[in-house]
Amino acid sequence: EDQVTQSPEALRLQEGESSSLNCSYTVSGLRGLFWYRQDPGKGPEFLFTLYSAGEEKEKERLKATLTKKESFLHITAPKPEDSATYLCAVPGRNQAGTALIFGKGTTLSVSS
Amino acid sequence: DGGITQSPKYLFRKEGQNVTLSCEQNLNHDAMYWYRQDPGQGLRLIYYSQIVNDFQKGDIAEGYSVSREKKESFPLTVTSAQKNPTAFYLCASSLSRSEQFFGPGTRLTVL
Repeated sequence: EDQVTQSPEALRLQEGESSSLNCSYTVSGLRGLFWYRQDPGKGPEFLFTLYSAGEEKEKERLKATLTKKESFLHITAPKPEDSATYLCAVPGRNQAGTALIFGKGTTLSVSS
Repeated sequence: DGGITQSPKYLFRKEGQNVTLSCEQNLNHDAMYWYRQDPGQGLRLIYYSQIVNDFQKGDIAEGYSVSREKKESFPLTVTSAQKNPTAFYLCASSLSRSEQFFGPGTRLTVL
């Protein structure tokens, strides 16, 4: 069964304290891994797509990396406005492989 | 502005009542999706549609129905057969096999 597991469930950081979030997946024939940010009461906001092991993408203080078994979202010198839930997802084995399987997310809190 | 709109933002349902959640997109995306989000759980797929007049069940389709009569619209009906409908409902769209973009969500509460 295809699965996506994110850890930790919650992470508290001080402003400027860098850390990483993990997303591990068990799906054969990976057709992309997606990272989203979700603020409370809002829809997820797309951040990155990674397609192959070794690939990296960056956006401001965020950098996403991908290996054959997992992905990391590195947060460098976070600010309070980075506080949100971060979700990762992979395409499932539906008919066209378009619908996504989501992890439960990591809720990040950054305090000043 | 291109994007996805969902309405209403908040919806209250009485026992035994059917309610319909609206989802519209002007991104010219072929595929559209409905997910349900509960506290402490990931998003779970209810239904998806890759083209007009065609849709498939997701993992938790029981008690829900959809239609796709227009490319831009993918309404979701929560029927009285859905025993625990209180949740946050998210609509998304995508070009085939690419990243999905989400609407702002509808929070449904059963009274």
